Amino acid sequence: GESVGLHLPTLSVQEGDNSIINCAYSNSASDYFIWYKQESGKGPQFIIDIRSNMDKRQGQRVTVLLNKTVKHLSLQIAATQPGDSAVYFCAENMGAGNMLTFGGGTRLMVKP
Amino acid sequence: GAVVSQHPSWVICKSGTSVKIECRSLDFQATTMFWYRQFPKQSLMLMATSNEGSKATYEQGVEKDKFLINHASLTLSTLTVTSAHPEDSSFYICSAPFTGQYNEQFFGPGTRLTVL
Repeated sequence: GESVGLHLPTLSVQEGDNSIINCAYSNSASDYFIWYKQESGKGPQFIIDIRSNMDKRQGQRVTVLLNKTVKHLSLQIAATQPGDSAVYFCAENMGAGNMLTFGGGTRLMVKP
Repeated sequence: GAVVSQHPSWVICKSGTSVKIECRSLDFQATTMFWYRQFPKQSLMLMATSNEGSKATYEQGVEKDKFLINHASLTLSTLTVTSAHPEDSSFYICSAPFTGQYNEQFFGPGTRLTVL
């Protein structure tokens, strides 16, 4: 859901470590979930997606886990790099006209 | 992947003026586009759904007379902020779904509006 008026939580990790960013979604009927990366002053950039009939999907250095029982989504980034520093948003698609609902976002800071 | 562009990328205007923001899908057609606004350190909030050939659908609390949306063609949607005020200053982002089973959405780079 939306997080109006709240500051973004921050996750600070050391370069080379793995990062885990969590997200709780709101609608049990959502069937498609996406993680986006947003750098300062830019639009969201697609990272990875997952359908509701899956519980895990892997990309090049990223893995998304879906737990429908508790409506929880996580993004794992392996060997985090300074270029990964950004705000990460999860989004859910409730299937009605392709509308996306965004989570509150997490700022990832990578320390060299 | 599909590309969505926005113009302008940054605009500064005086209070009371109207500002038009364009959103274009460059290499695909989009019968639907979405407009979001984002305040600093906050998430994206959906403002409205732009529909080619019909009226836009606005989210609750969004004034349709203030935020005029026109989906002129299958590749262009415009958002006009009428009689802008400082509280309208924000980052406006559009997106367009790429036709497919799960309709992956591609986002524009955003337009930063500053109203003095």
